[in-house]
Amino acid sequence: DQQVKQNSPSLSVQEGRISILNCDYTNSMFDYFLWYKKYPAEGPTFLISISSIKDKNEDGRFTVFLNKSAKHLSLHIVPSQPGDSAVYFCAALPRNNFNKFYFGSGTKLNVKP
Amino acid sequence: DTAVSQTPKYLVTQMGNDKSIKCEQNLGHDTMYWYKQDSKKFLKIMFSYNNKELIINETVPNRFSPKSPDKAHLNLHINSLELGDSAVYFCASSRLANYEQYFGPGTRLTVT
Repeated sequence: DQQVKQNSPSLSVQEGRISILNCDYTNSMFDYFLWYKKYPAEGPTFLISISSIKDKNEDGRFTVFLNKSAKHLSLHIVPSQPGDSAVYFCAALPRNNFNKFYFGSGTKLNVKP
Repeated sequence: DTAVSQTPKYLVTQMGNDKSIKCEQNLGHDTMYWYKQDSKKFLKIMFSYNNKELIINETVPNRFSPKSPDKAHLNLHINSLELGDSAVYFCASSRLANYEQYFGPGTRLTVT
């Protein structure tokens, strides 16, 4: 019973273009959402987050959009760079337990030079 | 200076053996976690400790026993290893109620 889903296992984008990574969730109790980036043989690293009271959060080239009614969030990377090639995990936190993270299965992004 | 470190990085062992994975963080965080990344690549939380106290214990077999000797360490001991235990195990830490977790590099466990 996966409550956070990333239905695209991989995505390939040309350098300089926009990368859009998607994430869907089922639990309406989720109150906070995060994106992590993972390189091979390393642990995930925090990238950007968004609270459920917002619908957009921007940090440099990275923007996360939240659509609560659709239970959907997305990460936009503009412009994409080859160094962005990694696996991106979406994660969610329920409002009644801010230590229990629910992760998706990841999307592998390949940015081609 | 590594923030969250795990040892060993790779562990190959036979069914039935007992093994431990160690985790240490030097970030001064008070909350530590163990995650299992299964064959489908989902990261699933197993345990969480805050100030050496267990706060999250998911439906993990009793063969898995976390031990936190102090705030900076959270070790994972696994008894009677089974084939299904093969996975990558990640340790992480954070400040309590701070959403940003710092992960270790992972330990790839292979049970043969």
